[in-house]
Amino acid sequence: NAGVTQTPKFQVLKTGQSMTLQCAQDMNHNSMYWYRQDPGMGLRLIYYSASEGTTDKGEVPNGYNVSRLNKREFSLRLESAAPSQTSVYFCASRRGGGSYEQYFGPGTRLTVT
Amino acid sequence: GQQLNQSPQSMFIQEGEDVSMNCTSSSIFNTWLWYKQEPGEGPVLLIALYKAGELTSNGRLTAQFGITRKDSFLNISASIPSDVGIYFCAGQVLYNNNDMRFGAGTRLTVKP
Repeated sequence: NAGVTQTPKFQVLKTGQSMTLQCAQDMNHNSMYWYRQDPGMGLRLIYYSASEGTTDKGEVPNGYNVSRLNKREFSLRLESAAPSQTSVYFCASRRGGGSYEQYFGPGTRLTVT
Repeated sequence: GQQLNQSPQSMFIQEGEDVSMNCTSSSIFNTWLWYKQEPGEGPVLLIALYKAGELTSNGRLTAQFGITRKDSFLNISASIPSDVGIYFCAGQVLYNNNDMRFGAGTRLTVKP
């Protein structure tokens, strides 16, 4: 039982390049989330998927797209990376229903030059 | 969206001392969560609180859900070197199952 896994762990991109961050959970959770973490700030929600087949914008969605591929997998895509997207990205999942506990992956550290 | 006000930002303490940190908001939350994050890792859930006034312990950690539902506290007793890390609070916004707000974190350093 690996919980939430993320790939890659590190990535360096040049401005304008694209990439997809992968996330998978094996806890049979219904909801999945993508956050970014910047120094001195709390985690900020980029996009979320409340259930398989649905996705919605969070607080900071600009420059990102997501795909809920199936119940296990939720990917985050940067179409044209910008230096402002340099950050640590975390995926999280939640069982749903009356449980609000979110479980996080180990993160992807992205640098855009 | 509004983030939570978490204090203190950092703490430097001696091994064996007790630690207190708190989070406040102008919004009402129906759930408070406390996480610990170590360098290069994701946040790990420590304690979940679901009722106003609730006091919950996890080993040497004790957290409380404030009566007003706008704040929460985390205490660590008899700190040890492995308590080092960043502690985050998170509050689940009322009436929006997918709106979780996070504090900026309290960085804890424990000197042996």
